[in-house]
Formats: sequence, C-alpha cells, structure tokens
Amino acid sequence: DTEVTQTPKHLVMGMTNKKSLKCEQHMGHRAMYWYKQKAKKPPELMFVYSYEKLSINESVPSRFSPECPNSSLLNLHLHALQPEDSALYLCASSQESGDPNYGYTFGSGTRLTVV
Amino acid sequence: EDKVVQSPLSLVVHEGDTVTLNCSYEVTNFRSLLWYKQEKKAPTFLFMLTSSGIEKKSGRLSSILDKKELFSILNITATQTGDSAIYLCAVEALTPGTYKYIFGTGTRLKVLA
Repeated sequence: DTEVTQTPKHLVMGMTNKKSLKCEQHMGHRAMYWYKQKAKKPPELMFVYSYEKLSINESVPSRFSPECPNSSLLNLHLHALQPEDSALYLCASSQESGDPNYGYTFGSGTRLTVV
Repeated sequence: EDKVVQSPLSLVVHEGDTVTLNCSYEVTNFRSLLWYKQEKKAPTFLFMLTSSGIEKKSGRLSSILDKKELFSILNITATQTGDSAIYLCAVEALTPGTYKYIFGTGTRLKVLA
C-alpha cells in the first residue's frame, strides 16, 4: 500500500457544526502533515506530527484541532469554522529518514466548504 | 525567514517546445528540494534533489540543484498538452525535532496543441 487515504473527499458544513477529516497511511511513515490549500495557491502547512507527537503548529486557529491516535492515522477536528476556511485540506506523510527516491506522499484531499 | 521563490509565475507554450522552470530558495538547515506536479487535486511527486550538480531524469523531465547559488531548475522537453499543470517546488528544512516543507507559489504551465 503506497497511498495516503483521506476521507471524506467532499464536505459541506455549517458554521456551528463539528466535523472531522481523516487521513490514513500504511507505509510505515513516521511523519504526517496537514496542509490547507486555497484556490490557485500552494499548500500551506498547518500541523506536523512526528512519531505521533505534534511537533509543528503553524499558528493555526484553535477551531482546527489535530489528533494522531496512532502511527497510521491522522485526524483534523473542525468546530465553529468560518466561510474563509473553505479550502482543499491535504494530508501528507513521509519517512522520517527522508528516502531520496520517494519524497513524500500526499492524499487526494478533502474539499471543504463552510456555509 | 525561510522562503522559496518560483519563476515564471505562469507560462504558455506550444506542443513540442522546451520549458525551464526556476526555483530559488533561502532557508536555514536545507535538507532537500522537491518538485511536484499538481493538476486537479493533490500534488504528484516528481523529483527529490539533495546533491548539487547531479541531474535527475524521468522521461522528458529533468531537474538539477545548485546548492551554492541556491536554486534548482526543472526542464521539460518536447512538451505535450498533458504537461499542463502547476509545478510546485518545495524545500525541506530542518527544524528542532523534525523537518518541514516550504512551498513556492508554483509555476502555472499551459501547453497549447
């Protein structure tokens, strides 16, 4: 299995809803990432988990709450989002040792719309 | 502040042309530079470069890194309409305890038939 799987693929939520995005990989990668990508912009890093511990939080608002239950799973819990949070949310993973042949792997993303 | 700059921002060429995309960077604790192709959804990995002067090739695509001048180029020869995409450059930088990737703004390439 050489994929990063994200669910759901599409999500529409109201500003008072609570929802979660899920990301799963079975490549034995020990670093996992959440990125946010707005239209026509490059991905922006939100969080980095290294060996299941949060190692980087790029000053993300608290309405986004990451969770790494185990080395294969990464969740992003969403609560009280704003319309400007609508974006493509990408999960990625990489080997901690930085294998030069594979870079790192992105999931196909969750397209989130906040109404 | 770490930064990655790509040029040009956009490019329109005709099938069969050769294009060169540029990526320059200023980061502390550089570890590697990666090129990605992004069409509709998630970026697809193309190359990872860690050493200066060693060209990596995959079909019509090739890339090289210059760690002294802090830049990389991505060449695409005999372009096809399927090469139309955004090409992203990302630099991997070491931070205490882990590493992270800083993306450039991307080059939007359009190949006309």
